[in-house]
Amino acid sequence: DGGITQSPKYLFRKEGQNVTLSCEQNLNHDAMYWYRQDPGQGLRLIYYSQIVNDFQKGDIAEGYSVSREKKESFPLTVTSAQKNPTAFYLCASSIFGSSNQPQHFGDGTRLSIL
Amino acid sequence: KQEVTQIPAALSVPEGENLVLNCSFTDSAIYNLQWFRQDPGKGLTSLLLIQSSQREQTSGRLNASLDKSSGRSTLYIAASQPGDSATYLCAVDAGNMLTFGGGTRLMVKP
Repeated sequence: DGGITQSPKYLFRKEGQNVTLSCEQNLNHDAMYWYRQDPGQGLRLIYYSQIVNDFQKGDIAEGYSVSREKKESFPLTVTSAQKNPTAFYLCASSIFGSSNQPQHFGDGTRLSIL
Repeated sequence: KQEVTQIPAALSVPEGENLVLNCSFTDSAIYNLQWFRQDPGKGLTSLLLIQSSQREQTSGRLNASLDKSSGRSTLYIAASQPGDSATYLCAVDAGNMLTFGGGTRLMVKP
């Protein structure tokens, strides 16, 4: 079955530590996205990538970094500069340039502070 | 900047009722509007996508409408069931980037 795999499901970060969240897709989608969801709220865009080796900042990119070295993979690093990282992180992918295809989502990673 | 609002934030109904969830957006320059379902602790599942040139889409007991000129969409759920309990999110696509509303948390009581 094609889909998006996020790991780990739960992650704990110590102060001053960088942590990396994994996102892999086998849907052959060009575009990939990272969102942050805080309790009781909608999703906010952190970073997105429309093609390998290229990515753009979303609305809340400060304190985060990404890479896109392979089409299938779009890891997100939460750096120590992100002072309030506790949230639910969701990765998504889509066919780039198509207005009639929805985004597909993984099951998320919940990040907490130790 | 696009803003998306969903009303109500929470809704509790008895099983069998028909219900309407509302979504409004401020900028009508969109490619499509998408409705998603989110179960607790899970990712989003796509329910319906309405392209900007369309007025509505239907899937089973779900019907979504779009009025781009007034910046509104509704999700109609017919004959609600306890299994429909979840958070429903709408999002507008203005060019491969989605802007989400805050969601409506639905509880359907048996």
